[in-house]
Amino acid sequence: DTAVSQTPKYLVTQMGNDKSIKCEQNLGHDTMYWYKQDSKKFLKIMFSYNNKELIINETVPNRFSPKSPDKAHLNLHINSLELGDSAVYFCASSQARAYEQYFGPGTRLTVT
Amino acid sequence: AQSVTQLDSHVSVSEGTPVLLRCNYSSSYSPSLFWYVQHPNKGLQLLLKYTSAATLVKGINGFEAEFKKSETSFHLTKPSAHMSDAAEYFCVGPRAGKSTFGDGTTLTVKP
Repeated sequence: DTAVSQTPKYLVTQMGNDKSIKCEQNLGHDTMYWYKQDSKKFLKIMFSYNNKELIINETVPNRFSPKSPDKAHLNLHINSLELGDSAVYFCASSQARAYEQYFGPGTRLTVT
Repeated sequence: AQSVTQLDSHVSVSEGTPVLLRCNYSSSYSPSLFWYVQHPNKGLQLLLKYTSAATLVKGINGFEAEFKKSETSFHLTKPSAHMSDAAEYFCVGPRAGKSTFGDGTTLTVKP
């Protein structure tokens, strides 16, 4: 069973479109995260939720909106996609904030 | 201020030789520190973690790391590199209540 899953794995879309990425974890963890990895492999945290409550919200354009319907799911919706949004987006989860994180396989977003 | 600094962006070793990937941390206390590995086109996998129980931490795939408070370092080592070790490695430490990733070290293993 996959611990942290993301869908879709690949997403190719045009500028200006709106898209969503879904994440689910079956580990029973309380905390979930979204990271963006750019072409230079740098990883930047975007958001973190603890028990459905937003606890970390980095300097991210408000076109990005996370939603956590329950503590096992954390989705990422992106409005008005731009070329600079092209990256790999990783979802992760952990038992608590300072604990080790378990990562999903990533979603490669390409904006043309 | 960055919580962790990975001192080398690229490291190249020959198969069978030792691996050393360097990470320094900045903290006034003993933090929780982690090393993750990312193979090409894959997600990140935890290699090992330090949580103050023991200064020498053993991880998966023969990797280990030693927490040295006097040097504020948490370097990752492996006695003998294997071709399958070629990957991106990230050191992770806390900053302002969240985990912060270093910039990564690309490990190349030559046959």
